[in-house]
Amino acid sequence: NAGVTQTPKFRVLKTGQSMTLLCAQDMNHEYMYWYRQDPGMGLRLIHYSVGEGTTAKGEVPDGYNVSRLKKQNFLLGLESAAPSQTSVYFCASSYSTGSGYTFGSGTRLTVV
Amino acid sequence: SQQGEEDPQALSIQEGENATMNCSYKTSINNLQWYRQNSGRGLVHLILIRSNEREKHSGRLRVTLDTSKKSSSLLITASRAADTASYFCATDASSNTGKLIFGQGTTLQVKP
Repeated sequence: NAGVTQTPKFRVLKTGQSMTLLCAQDMNHEYMYWYRQDPGMGLRLIHYSVGEGTTAKGEVPDGYNVSRLKKQNFLLGLESAAPSQTSVYFCASSYSTGSGYTFGSGTRLTVV
Repeated sequence: SQQGEEDPQALSIQEGENATMNCSYKTSINNLQWYRQNSGRGLVHLILIRSNEREKHSGRLRVTLDTSKKSSSLLITASRAADTASYFCATDASSNTGKLIFGQGTTLQVKP
């Protein structure tokens, strides 16, 4: 089915470990976004990309890096995980500005 | 910082009743969007209203936008148990990035 696929769906990390979350979309969308969702905080934008090869910081970028080497993929990296990064991470994509997002099903990350 | 403030935080109604959720925001916007999130799932785009529009309908959904008051409302008519979910407003105040700033959401429970 067309859409946004996030892997993995669940992960437990130890403090200081690194990992990469993968987001893949097959809708030829230009724009891609990474959000985190925490209880009582809504969704907060981490990083985003307006096209292949471009990335930019969002509202809460510290501790994360991203890459968009291919149009269909948007990777989110945690170099040295901290307990404060325990969250549910959502990737989203959109065809253009002024169009709605398509979200992935999320990655639940726990850092112990 | 959150752009959108949603009210109420939680709403419980009987099946068949109407549900109204409100969203207020702080800055000028290009558009405002509403999303639904079922428990443990990703967000689903419901409706987008542009800054030059005042009202929009989609099935049992009615969205209004008052840019002078910087507020929007989502009305779900003849609610069903399947409408039980969290509802988020999101504003696009960006310059050609499509970044959305999400509110904290309203949790709707529809009792059968």
